[in-house]
Amino acid sequence: AQKVTQAQTEISVVEKEDVTLDCVYETRDTTYYLFWYKQPPSGELVFLIRRNSFDEQNEISGRYSWNFQKSTSSFNFTITASQVVDSAVYFCALSFYNFNKFYFGSGTKLNVKP
Amino acid sequence: DTGVSQDPRHKITKRGQNVTFRCDPISEHNRLYWYRQTLGQGPEFLTYFQNEAQLEKSRLLSDRFSAERPKGSFSTLEIQRTEQGDSAMYLCASSSLFGTSEITEFFGPGTRLTVL
Repeated sequence: AQKVTQAQTEISVVEKEDVTLDCVYETRDTTYYLFWYKQPPSGELVFLIRRNSFDEQNEISGRYSWNFQKSTSSFNFTITASQVVDSAVYFCALSFYNFNKFYFGSGTKLNVKP
Repeated sequence: DTGVSQDPRHKITKRGQNVTFRCDPISEHNRLYWYRQTLGQGPEFLTYFQNEAQLEKSRLLSDRFSAERPKGSFSTLEIQRTEQGDSAMYLCASSSLFGTSEITEFFGPGTRLTVL
């Protein structure tokens, strides 16, 4: 069975704090892809990152970083020095080699307060 | 063409009526997906087209749901005999696949359906 779990329903932080959003996935496939999306209050999902199962290198993009660990089936997302504009719902998703179907987690709502 | 567009943005209908939504993907994107999202949940996959071929269909998609992409460009999602449980945001996404691992998926703004 394929499944993505985001156990944190909602997180509130004060601006400039670091915050980590957790994502745990389940699959028996050896080739798969993991994604993070941002859904701001306006509603439109925005693609943030894609990672394939053969590349466990962590990635950093500005204030965003991602930690992929196959040993724990986790793909966590950290925002450093959070800003109010980071307030949104963040979704982790799983897909496979043909990208015919995506499995999304239930999302984590991040509130960044000034 | 700057993104995926969906029409209408909002639809209110009475139980038992049929509704049809349209999605216009980004030009030249050969892949198109439909998802359903209810409040507080992540998008649930409904169906996937590659060009005009419907290659994947979720078990969530009952016989009342049908989707088409007749010319491999825009797509329509029809719900017949709507039920209150169909109330949700219906999202369309399109993407193109470069090589074996490159994919960038773009989502539309969604159509919010309310069934009274």
